[in-house]
Amino acid sequence: GESVGLHLPTLSVQEGDNSIINCAYSNSASDYFIWYKQESGKGPQFIIDIRSNMDKRQGQRVTVLLNKTVKHLSLQIAATQPGDSAVYFCAENINNQGGKLIFGQGTELSVKP
Amino acid sequence: DVKVTQSSRYLVKRTGEKVFLECVQDMDHENMFWYRQDPGLGLRLIYFSYDVKMKEKGDIPEGYSVSREKKERFSLILESASTNQTSMYLCASSSGMTGNTIYFGEGSWLTVV
Repeated sequence: GESVGLHLPTLSVQEGDNSIINCAYSNSASDYFIWYKQESGKGPQFIIDIRSNMDKRQGQRVTVLLNKTVKHLSLQIAATQPGDSAVYFCAENINNQGGKLIFGQGTELSVKP
Repeated sequence: DVKVTQSSRYLVKRTGEKVFLECVQDMDHENMFWYRQDPGLGLRLIYFSYDVKMKEKGDIPEGYSVSREKKERFSLILESASTNQTSMYLCASSSGMTGNTIYFGEGSWLTVV
């Protein structure tokens, strides 16, 4: 079936390094994508989003890149900090299916001091 | 800031009990959702609602029902709790019919014994 997937289930980086979390999606009708961060015991927290008419969007220390040709989404975190340690989910919205999102399984980011 | 509030963070219920999980959002959002989150299974949609008194089944509605009597409030009901419903339950809300950010509550941890 169609789904959103992640290339790596875990990612370990050194504090201060940049992190890249990848996500593959298979539905070409998807028109909106979101990255969420979920800390242990808490609900998912919105980080950044991007619409399908864009290929890059930047926030504070985060950048999302969208490559529609290969159906690939990535989240880049600059100067990763211990507080960035969490599980990161990508989610996609399929056009004309209302507000429902399809979520990936998540990547756990671990930041070593 | 958008706030989605789940009234109960931790509950322990007995098998066969009727369980109510309450959720309130303060952003006048049309859409509200209930997900459950389990290790290895990710986020799964139980029910959602696009308007007051409207409800739609998600991917795993069996054993659950919902109620939306007011726009800001969406309740998840376990008619007869079972041990396989032990999980973290996440309420979420969003605006509009297409591609907008879904905001999550902090989650309700339910243990059925």
